[in-house]
Amino acid sequence: AQSVTQPDIHITVSEGASLELRCNYSYGATPYLFWYVQSPGQGLQLLLKYFSGDTLVQGIKGFEAEFKRSQSSFNLRKPSVHWSDAAEYFCAVSGGGADGLTFGKGTHLIIQP
Amino acid sequence: NAGVTQTPKFRVLKTGQSMTLLCAQDMNHEYMYWYRQDPGMGLRLIHYSVGEGTTAKGEVPDGYNVSRLKKQNFLLGLESAAPSQTSVYFCASSYLWQGAGANVLTFGAGSRLTVL
Repeated sequence: AQSVTQPDIHITVSEGASLELRCNYSYGATPYLFWYVQSPGQGLQLLLKYFSGDTLVQGIKGFEAEFKRSQSSFNLRKPSVHWSDAAEYFCAVSGGGADGLTFGKGTHLIIQP
Repeated sequence: NAGVTQTPKFRVLKTGQSMTLLCAQDMNHEYMYWYRQDPGMGLRLIHYSVGEGTTAKGEVPDGYNVSRLKKQNFLLGLESAAPSQTSVYFCASSYLWQGAGANVLTFGAGSRLTVL
């Protein structure tokens, strides 16, 4: 069975600083990987996805993520965070097909002024 | 374009009561999903549907039933609510990206259910 681990429950970053959120997955074949963001009281919005090809993928709001097969990782990065980036971030994996995504437990991002 | 709409947004139930959450999507998506979100647990799949008239169990199906009588609607029912079902419920819909074999989920805004 596939699984996702987000090692950091909370991360605090100063506004303007760089950000990296960690995600490790477990899946027997090539996975499909996703990052979603959830603002307080809102649903989940897709930030970016990796299906195949270039291992560095660009997303919305200035985010990017890099797929590293050797490390089973798909870390999310942003060069300079803004106060509006404060939210819950979820990494998810799929093996393809219609049976949905498996999510990590999320990382809560706090932005310090 | 509304996307995925969930009703109601909030509901309070007493133990043993029943209720139905409605999810509607206007994107002509084939696949629909119900997840629950609990603090520190992420999102867990309850049930899903790959087309009109079909349903399948997810990771945490016990205590819930679903129906997909129309392609655009996916209903989640609680026949006898329990305090353990206090949660935020998210509906999502998706389609398979051609050639990729992967589906990309679009989520609703959530329905917060409290069972006393």
